[in-house]
Amino acid sequence: DTAVSQTPKYLVTQMGNDKSIKCEQNLGHDTMYWYKQDSKKFLKIMFSYNNKELIINETVPNRFSPKSPDKAHLNLHINSLELGDSAVYFCASSGAGGGQPQHFGDGTRLSIL
Amino acid sequence: AQSVAQPEDQVNVAEGNPLTVKCTYSVSGNPYLFWYVQYPNRGLQFLLKYITGDNLVKGSYGFEAEFNKSQTSFHLKKPSALVSDSALYFCAVSLGTYKYIFGTGTRLKVLA
Repeated sequence: DTAVSQTPKYLVTQMGNDKSIKCEQNLGHDTMYWYKQDSKKFLKIMFSYNNKELIINETVPNRFSPKSPDKAHLNLHINSLELGDSAVYFCASSGAGGGQPQHFGDGTRLSIL
Repeated sequence: AQSVAQPEDQVNVAEGNPLTVKCTYSVSGNPYLFWYVQYPNRGLQFLLKYITGDNLVKGSYGFEAEFNKSQTSFHLKKPSALVSDSALYFCAVSLGTYKYIFGTGTRLKVLA
């Protein structure tokens, strides 16, 4: 069983469209995250959620709206897609406490035409 | 500003030789430190972590890391590299419970 799963794996769309990425974890973790990895492989945190509540929003544009229907799911909706949004988006989860390792999904590669 | 630095974009090592991937950090307080590995088209996989205690931490796949508080470093090591170790390696620091800062990554290439 995949611990952290994201769908879709690939997303190709036009500028200006709206798209969503889904993430589910079956590890029983309370905390979930969204990361953006750019073409140079730099990894930057976007959001942290704990038990369905937003904890961290790292100055991400309002066009990005995460939603957590329950603590096992954290979806990411993106409005009005721009060329600069092209990247790989990773979902992750971790147990409680700062010393817990994160478990990552395999990413969603978003390409904006 | 709190940060994690991986000074080498790429490290090349011959198979069977020891490898070191460097990481230094600048954070306040006592950090939690991590190493992750990323293979092509995959998510990051946890290798090992330092919380407290022994400065030499052992992890998955024969990797270990040495924590040095005075040099604020957490270098990743392996005594004998394998071609299959070739991947992208990330050092990370936990800033409390909900936020992690990642280094820029180091590409390890093990040559047969």
